[in-house]
Amino acid sequence: AQRVTQPEKLLSVFKGAPVELKCNYSYSGSPELFWYVQYSRQRLQLLLRHISRESIKGFTADLNKGETSFHLKKPFAQEEDSAMYYCALKKAGRRALTFGSGTRLQVQP
Amino acid sequence: SQTIHQWPATLVQPVGSPLSLECTVEGTSNPNLYWYRQAAGRGLQLLFYSVGIGQISSEVPQNLSASRPQDRQFILSSKKLLLSDSGFYLCAWISNLAGRTEAFFGQGTRLTVV
Repeated sequence: AQRVTQPEKLLSVFKGAPVELKCNYSYSGSPELFWYVQYSRQRLQLLLRHISRESIKGFTADLNKGETSFHLKKPFAQEEDSAMYYCALKKAGRRALTFGSGTRLQVQP
Repeated sequence: SQTIHQWPATLVQPVGSPLSLECTVEGTSNPNLYWYRQAAGRGLQLLFYSVGIGQISSEVPQNLSASRPQDRQFILSSKKLLLSDSGFYLCAWISNLAGRTEAFFGQGTRLTVV
């Protein structure tokens, strides 16, 4: 069965520091991977998806099939980036998403 | 536009009491709907999904059940709550348009069973 692992429950950095939220997955097929974010008092929402190869709010994530990773990165963290971040995987042929346990990012001034 | 409503936002219920969480969607028809739960320190675990009225698939055995009485309504229920049912429950609508997955989430319900 597929699995998504986010090893860090909490990541605390200072404003302007680089950020890397780790995500590893196990799945024998070709996955579709996403990062979702939940800001305080807001709903869970899509941040980015690997197939778009996009940069959203300065965040990027590259799918590394060799390491089965999809780490989320930002070169300079901002206070407004403080939120809960979830990595998610979608199997081919299914719509359901498999989520990691989430990482809380705290960006301190 | 697509909207998903979930209520209540928080709930405190005694052990052995019944549960009913409701999720409704607007702006679409025949949506694929999902119930997830997050227990403390764990990821969002898929509980149930439904592809249409009266069609429910359960992902994990548990004390809960789900129903789809109307096209845009998805209900999570329990006849008798257990302490282990405490957690954060999230309703989701996941679509696939032209090969592009889009997921919309409710606000979530924090359930505490006491």
